[in-house]
This record gives sequence, structure tokens and C-alpha cells, in this order.
Amino acid sequence: AQKVTQAQTEISVVEKEDVTLDCVYETRDTTYYLFWYKQPPSGELVFLIRRNSFDEQNEISGRYSWNFQKSTSSFNFTITASQVVDSAVYFCALSEARRSNYQLIWGAGTKLIIKP
Amino acid sequence: ETGVTQSPTHLIKTRGQQVTLRCSSQSGHNTVSWYQQALGQGPQFIFQYYREEENGRGNFPPRFSGLQFPNYSSELNVNALELDDSALYLCATQGGGGYTFGSGTRLTVV
Repeated sequence: AQKVTQAQTEISVVEKEDVTLDCVYETRDTTYYLFWYKQPPSGELVFLIRRNSFDEQNEISGRYSWNFQKSTSSFNFTITASQVVDSAVYFCALSEARRSNYQLIWGAGTKLIIKP
Repeated sequence: ETGVTQSPTHLIKTRGQQVTLRCSSQSGHNTVSWYQQALGQGPQFIFQYYREEENGRGNFPPRFSGLQFPNYSSELNVNALELDDSALYLCATQGGGGYTFGSGTRLTVV
């Protein structure tokens, strides 16, 4: 069955520390997509990245980087030199190509607190 | 500003009442999905509309229904509200492989 697990419920670090948010997924599909979204207190889900199952290259965007490993079914997200503005709830999500509507299956989220 | 607008932003209803939530998009994408996000949890897929037809439904009872209009705006209707329906309701448009979410409607059922 399809599932996304974010085992870290809450992480608290001091500003400028690096932090990694874990995401483990389960799917029987060979073609799928993985996402990370940020949800600040305002409630809006902000898109961060989409990865398809055939592209295992790691990606870096400024202070953000993502490590996709099919062998361990993981898609982890690292913030380097964290800032207070990074405080939010972060969600990992999965979309399977076999579903014509590409519905998103979400993890429970990790609340990230960056202390000044 | 994401280009996806939801209204109202907040709503309080009494158990047993009916509610209609609205979603519109500047982009004109023909696919819209609705998600329910209970407090402290990830969103759950309710259903999707594509070209005014329902295109997949999550594990929600029939009292959750929807509409999509020719201009691709959408409504989510919930009948016979229950306390557990209290949540943030998010709509999302799909296009170009990505999803754009609105800011949501926070529904409180008392």
C-alpha cells in the first residue's frame, strides 16, 4: 500500500545549524513523484520541489538540498544554515502515476522550530 | 499570492448544518482537487474534478460533494456537518506536473 512516513514530529534547532528532515515512502508503482511542501502558520502550502522516480540526482537550491535514494525509499530534505524564517511545518508527499488523478498522499509533517 | 483563491477564510457552523466552500484559480487549469487537513495532520484527498466531472475520490462519505464550473472554479459542499469535519480545507489546481494550493478555509463545527 502507498504510504509516506515522516517520523520526526518536531525538530528544534538554533539558527545557523543544519537540519535534515526525513521522509520514507512506500509504493508499488515504478513511476511516481515525490514532493516537499512548506506550510507556514498562515496555512498555505508552498511548493518546494518535485522529483520523479527515474531521477535520483540530488538537488540543491540555495540553502535547501534533497537526497533521493530509491534503495532505501527515502527522500530527505536538508536546510543548511537554518534561519528563523524557515520555521514551519514541512510535508513530504507521494503521487503515483497509476492513479489518473495523481492524488497526493501526504506524510504527517515535521514541525521545524528555528530559535534565534 | 498563489493565484488560487478560497472563500471564506474562516467559518463556524453548527453540527447538522450544511456548508459550501469555494475555490477559484487565475490560471484556468481544468483540474482541481480538494483536501481536508485536520489539526496536526497531513492533508487527506477528498476528490478531484477534471473538466466538470469527478475524477477520483478519497475515503470520504457521500455527504462530501463537489462541483466544478465551466470557468473551472469549484465548490465543496458538506452536508450534515459533524464535529470531526472541523479542519482546514484546501483546494489545489494542477498543471505542468505541479500543484498550486490556496490558503484554505478553516471550518469549525460546534
